[in-house]
Amino acid sequence: DTAVSQTPKYLVTQMGNDKSIKCEQNLGHDTMYWYKQDSKKFLKIMFSYNNKELIINETVPNRFSPKSPDKAHLNLHINSLELGDSAVYFCASSRRRGANEKLFFGSGTQLSVL
Amino acid sequence: LAKTTQPISMDSYEGQEVNITCSHNNIATNDYITWYQQFPSQGPRFIIQGYKTKVTNEVASLFIPADRKSSTLSLPRVSLSDTAVYYCLVGDDGNSGYSTLTFGKGTMLLVSP
Repeated sequence: DTAVSQTPKYLVTQMGNDKSIKCEQNLGHDTMYWYKQDSKKFLKIMFSYNNKELIINETVPNRFSPKSPDKAHLNLHINSLELGDSAVYFCASSRRRGANEKLFFGSGTQLSVL
Repeated sequence: LAKTTQPISMDSYEGQEVNITCSHNNIATNDYITWYQQFPSQGPRFIIQGYKTKVTNEVASLFIPADRKSSTLSLPRVSLSDTAVYYCLVGDDGNSGYSTLTFGKGTMLLVSP
């Protein structure tokens, strides 16, 4: 069983479209994250939820909206996609909140905006 | 903010020991040092974590001097499959009361036959 799974693995879409990426973890963790890795491979945190509560919201455009229906799921919805949104998006989870907690990552979603 | 600095890239040959050093001059008292490994088209994977002195597991060793301003990840007898990007992270508690984990640019390790 995959601990942190995200779908789809690849997403190709046109500018202006709205798309969603789904993430699920079966580890029983309390905290989930979305990270963005750009073409320069720099991995930056976008959001974090702890028990369905938003606890980290970095400087991210309002077009990005995370939703956590329960603590095992954290989805990412992106409105009005732009070329600059092209990147790999990683979902991750940790047992609880805290900078020293071990992170478990999904395999990523490669988003290409044309 | 406990920023980390590590070499952009390193080259090695199969069977050699590889040491990757990370600088974190502003590390806080409560911060741990954590290393992750990332293969192409995969998410980062936890390798090892330590607070001080030396930590060893089945994959690597982590050496941390007394001042904790740097740390060294040691990979014994690397193989081709160890070719990956290695990230050094230091825990950081933000002013807003929550914690963030900041990944630097990592060290690209290339292992050749």
